[in-house]
Amino acid sequence: KNEVEQSPQNLTAQEGEFITINCSYSVGISALHWLQQHPGGGIVSLFMLSSGKKKHGRLIATINIQEKHSSLHITASHPRDSAVYICAVKSGGGADGLTFGKGTHLIIQP
Amino acid sequence: DGGITQSPKYLFRKEGQNVTLSCEQNLNHDAMYWYRQDPGQGLRLIYYSQIVNDFQKGDIAEGYSVSREKKESFPLTVTSAQKNPTAFYLCASSIFENTGELFFGEGSRLTVL
Repeated sequence: KNEVEQSPQNLTAQEGEFITINCSYSVGISALHWLQQHPGGGIVSLFMLSSGKKKHGRLIATINIQEKHSSLHITASHPRDSAVYICAVKSGGGADGLTFGKGTHLIIQP
Repeated sequence: DGGITQSPKYLFRKEGQNVTLSCEQNLNHDAMYWYRQDPGQGLRLIYYSQIVNDFQKGDIAEGYSVSREKKESFPLTVTSAQKNPTAFYLCASSIFENTGELFFGEGSRLTVL
């Protein structure tokens, strides 16, 4: 089973700061997901990537397959970005091949 | 708008009672999943289904049951056999089991009194 580690576990920053959240995994994967969980509990998929880099608005996700590492960046952070960010990796066939990290709790202060 | 609807959002149950959580999707997705989330832990897979009338156990299926009689619906029953049922439950779907973006519901928080 893949081991997924996220860092930091908690992050508090000021509005406008550049944010980086990291995800490392132990076994080769076919895809990596970045998810956002709002305070109410609902989860939204931000990115799914298997190589390179993806950008959506102020969010950027990168992955380095050789180093088994991915980062999620938020530029010009805003209080509405406050949420838990979850990394999940797909490393095997079937739905049971998806392993989730414990999440990074991000707070952006005005 | 397409999406996943979970109900109820909050549910309280007495020990020894079964309870069923509803999950409905109008995304025409084949694959549906139930996850459990506990504080300080990653999501854990309870059950998943790839097609109607078929489902497989996940990592923590004991004390839970599911059905998939319709493509749109994947209800989860938390039985009295589940030793620690208080948790946040999330339903998700994707186009195919092995690939594709995951879509989640808003979750159901179950508290056993």
